[in-house]
Amino acid sequence: GAVVSQHPSWVICKSGTSVKIECRSLDFQATTMFWYRQFPKQSLMLMATSNEGSKATYEQGVEKDKFLINHASLTLSTLTVTSAHPEDSSFYICSARGGGSSPLHFGNGTRLTVT
Amino acid sequence: GQQLNQSPQSMFIQEGEDVSMNCTSSSIFNTWLWYKQDPGEGPVLLIALYKAGELTSNGRLTAQFGITRKDSFLNISASIPSDVGIYFCALGSSNTGKLIFGQGTTLQVKP
Repeated sequence: GAVVSQHPSWVICKSGTSVKIECRSLDFQATTMFWYRQFPKQSLMLMATSNEGSKATYEQGVEKDKFLINHASLTLSTLTVTSAHPEDSSFYICSARGGGSSPLHFGNGTRLTVT
Repeated sequence: GQQLNQSPQSMFIQEGEDVSMNCTSSSIFNTWLWYKQDPGEGPVLLIALYKAGELTSNGRLTAQFGITRKDSFLNISASIPSDVGIYFCALGSSNTGKLIFGQGTTLQVKP
């Protein structure tokens, strides 16, 4: 079945540094990918929609200059948390879908801890 | 904006018991989804509902899309320890693929 892979699965970084998270669709072409953030004991909140070859669409309240999204190919989207701060520590999850009304597949998430 | 309420927030039950959780929304959507999330992992789709009144089963799980299209429930029958996790309802748009998640129901099962 369709698989979405995220890398790394966890990362610890120092405050002020930038961290890149990758989301790959392994056996299908993902025209659209979504990035979610989940704080402990909370639900998943959509951050942005990433379309291959175009700029990402950010949800209200999400800083596009802080969370840089690049969807350069049909199988890869990246989320870069720039100048990370402890409050950015969270579980980041991507999802991907092919064209039309194809189903959505979630990655296994990336645990980011900023010290 | 869109309001999606999920209840209960948590449940602690004995193995073998049945479980029910539900979600209500303030607006009408054309897709209701139910996911399970294990600790440290992404959510996994359990059941998808696309039609008002639709009742769908997946093993011991049964979910229904309310007639009003503003609510859905998920039932788990004869619970087992591996049912432990967080269950989320989600509203989806087939056009955009965007999902709105409920607050989640944390299920604990005592063997």
